[in-house]
This record gives sequence, C-alpha cells and structure tokens, in this order.
Amino acid sequence: AQSVAQPEDQVNVAEGNPLTVKCTYSVSGNPYLFWYVQYPNRGLQFLLKYITGDNLVKGSYGFEAEFNKSQTSFHLKKPSALVSDSALYFCAVRDMRSGYSTLTFGKGTMLLVSP
Amino acid sequence: SQTIHQWPATLVQPVGSPLSLECTVEGTSNPNLYWYRQAAGRGLQLLFYSVGIGQISSEVPQNLSASRPQDRQFILSSKKLLLSDSGFYLCAWISGSTPNEQFFGPGTRLTVL
Repeated sequence: AQSVAQPEDQVNVAEGNPLTVKCTYSVSGNPYLFWYVQYPNRGLQFLLKYITGDNLVKGSYGFEAEFNKSQTSFHLKKPSALVSDSALYFCAVRDMRSGYSTLTFGKGTMLLVSP
Repeated sequence: SQTIHQWPATLVQPVGSPLSLECTVEGTSNPNLYWYRQAAGRGLQLLFYSVGIGQISSEVPQNLSASRPQDRQFILSSKKLLLSDSGFYLCAWISGSTPNEQFFGPGTRLTVL
C-alpha cells in the first residue's frame, strides 16, 4: 500500500521567514502526490499536486513543493510565511484500491507562524 | 462550478441515539464519493467510498453505515452512536475531469455525550 509520512507534528516560523513542511512517501510505481491545508473546523483545501513533469510544483497562496525522487520526498515550501498561513497541512498520495482511486493522508503537520 | 455541501455543520448526540449525516454534490455527475473521519483534529481515516448509486464499499468495519440513494447524495448513518464515534466527518468527491484531486466538503463536527 502507498503511504506518506510527515515527521513533524508542528513547525514554528516567524512571519517573513521561509517555511518548509516535510513529507516523505513510499509507493509502488509512479507517485501522485498532493498537499492540502485545513483551517480550524473547516474542510481540506487543495494546495498543489505532482503528477509528472517539473519537480518544482507551484500551488495556491504562494506555496510550492519540490518532488525529489532519490529522497522520496515532497516537501512543501513558501519563501515568506504569513500569520494567516497558520493551519494544519496534510500530505497525501494517490492510492488505488480494488480499481478505485482514493488518497492516503499523512497525520498532518501544524504550522504556526508568529507575528 | 462544482460545490459540495454537508449537513448539519455541528451535531451533539447522546450515546445510543441514531445518526444521519448528509453530503450532496452540485455541478457534476457520477462522482466518486468518500466519507472520512478525522479524530482529535489530526489524521483522516477513510470510512466509505461509492462509485455509483447503491454501490458502497467499507474500508473499516465499525458502528457506521453509508448509503447512496441518488447520484449526488451520500449519507452516513448509525443506528446507535458510541462515544468513540465523536469526530469531524468529511465528505469528498473526485470528478471524472480531474480524477486525481479530491474536493472536500466543509465537514460535520459530531460530539457524542
């Protein structure tokens, strides 16, 4: 089965500093990777995805992620953090089960951006 | 554009009472639909998925059931709630045009007392 790991429960950064939220994956075949963000008591919002092509993927709200095949990583990055970026971030990988497609999620990383 | 609705937004129920959560999708046809549970504000557990009317697959055996009476309606139910059923329930769908992305509803916060 496909899986992703988010090694950090929480990441703290100061506003204006660059941020990185880590994700590593374990898949058989080519990985389809995703990042979602969740604000308190809200559903998940799609940020970006990697299917194929350029290793650097640009997404919503100024976020980007770098696909690294040799390190099996897909870290989420942003050059300059905002307080409003504080939220729960999920990495996910497409998982095929009995012919249907779903997503397998990491446990989430809480990002706290201080003023 | 496509939208996904969940009802109710919050729910407080006593142990042993029944449950019915509704999810509806607009602006698409024949979507794959999913129910997830998020406990303690963290990881998501896939509960059920459906590829069409009346077609339900369960990922984890438990106190819940799901039904899909119409193409764009997905219902999560229980006959008798347990304390452990508390959590944040999320409905999601995948469209045929973007088969890799899942789009999520706003969620239902269920508290069982």
